[in-house]
Amino acid sequence: ETGVTQSPTHLIKTRGQQVTLRCSSQSGHNTVSWYQQALGQGPQFIFQYYREEENGRGNFPPRFSGLQFPNYSSELNVNALELDDSALYLCASSLSGRGEKLFFGSGTQLSVL
Amino acid sequence: DAKTTQPPSMDCAEGRAANLPCNHSTISGNEYVYWYRQIHSQGPQYIIHGLKNNETNEMASLIITEDRKSSTLILPHATLRDTAVYYCIPSRPDKLIFGTGTRLQVFP
Repeated sequence: ETGVTQSPTHLIKTRGQQVTLRCSSQSGHNTVSWYQQALGQGPQFIFQYYREEENGRGNFPPRFSGLQFPNYSSELNVNALELDDSALYLCASSLSGRGEKLFFGSGTQLSVL
Repeated sequence: DAKTTQPPSMDCAEGRAANLPCNHSTISGNEYVYWYRQIHSQGPQYIIHGLKNNETNEMASLIITEDRKSSTLILPHATLRDTAVYYCIPSRPDKLIFGTGTRLQVFP
C-alpha cells in the first residue's frame, strides 16, 4: 500500500461528457502527477501539480485540466470525452525536493462509450 | 528526455536471478536511472534508482555501466510474484517518462 488513494476505481461515460477523477496523496507529499495508461502501453505523463500550481505538462490537449487543493489532494478533469480517452488514469504523489520516488495509486479505469 | 531500449519480454525460472537490461545511450549528466515495475491491474511500484554507482536495496540491485549508457536490474531470486512489466526510466526526479518496458514472466 502506498497511501495514495484514487476514486472512483471504475467509471463509464459516453462521448462528449465530462469527468472528474480524484486523488488523495500520501501524507506529507506536496506534489501530484497524473498519468494516462492506454491498454498495452506505458503510462503517459499528463501534468504535475506542486503546491497548487501546475508544474509541467505532457502532450495533452487543454480539455485535460487539473486542480490541487491546500491539503495537496488533486482532481483531474476531462471535458468533451472522446473514445480514445478510455484508459487507466494513475495518480502519483511525491515530496518535491526529495522526489526520488513516485508513489502511485491503483488508478481509475475510465471507459468512454 | 533520454530514449531507452528494453527487450519487450523475458522469462525467468523461479529461484533464479533475473537480469533485465536497459540501453539509455542518450542519458544526460543530471538524469538518474529509475526502475519501476507494474504488476497487472496495479499502479507502478518504485524498485530502485541510481546516478553513477551501483545500488542495492531489499528488492533488487542496479548495475550502471561506467559510461552510463546502459544498466541492468537484477532480481537475485525471482519469485512468481515478480511477474510484471519492468520500466527503465532515465529521468530527473518527479517527472518520469515511461516507455513500454520489459514484460518479465517468472515460471515455476
